[in-house]
Amino acid sequence: GEDVEQSLFLSVREGDSSVINCTYTDSSSTYLYWYKQEPGAGLQLLTYIFSNMDMKQDQRLTVLLNKKDKHLSLRIADTQTGDSAIYFCAEPSSGGYQKVTFGTGTKLQVIP
Amino acid sequence: NAGVTQTPKFQVLKTGQSMTLQCAQDMNHNSMYWYRQDPGMGLRLIYYSASEGTTDKGEVPNGYNVSRLNKREFSLRLESAAPSQTSVYFCASSEGEVGTQYFGPGTRLLVL
Repeated sequence: GEDVEQSLFLSVREGDSSVINCTYTDSSSTYLYWYKQEPGAGLQLLTYIFSNMDMKQDQRLTVLLNKKDKHLSLRIADTQTGDSAIYFCAEPSSGGYQKVTFGTGTKLQVIP
Repeated sequence: NAGVTQTPKFQVLKTGQSMTLQCAQDMNHNSMYWYRQDPGMGLRLIYYSASEGTTDKGEVPNGYNVSRLNKREFSLRLESAAPSQTSVYFCASSEGEVGTQYFGPGTRLLVL
């Protein structure tokens, strides 16, 4: 089955860039996702990338996709204290119906 | 437009008690999901429903049952709660080509 791996914790200083990494298993995935979970809340889609793209930029967010190595990364430029959250990488699961497999999540701590 | 709502927000149960977690979405989505979130394990799919009247097991279905009452509502039942079911439970729905999942705020369950 699918297995999405992430490191559990990342600490950065306010104003620095954050890079959160993820490895996934299914090379046929059409979309790959990044979700954000703020304390005490549900997950919310942050951004996604289509599998035929290498990079997607959206304001302070840059997503890089390396299909050969099955590696996905999320870069947050000029990290702010409001970016403190858990970030989940996700890929579609087998069996359809828009199921996804989530990684373990990376907790981002931003130090003022 | 409330999105995905869940009740209750918090619940404490004794081992062996039963309860039903309620979920409703007002986005006219066909697919709905129940996840549990445990520290260091990300989100794990308990059950999902591709459309009204259909339900299927996910990764961790043991000890749970579900009902897709209509297109809007998808409930999760614990017939005989166990301490291992202490967790945060999230309901989600999805639709569209990208398959974005929309999450409720979660139910925090403690089983003593």
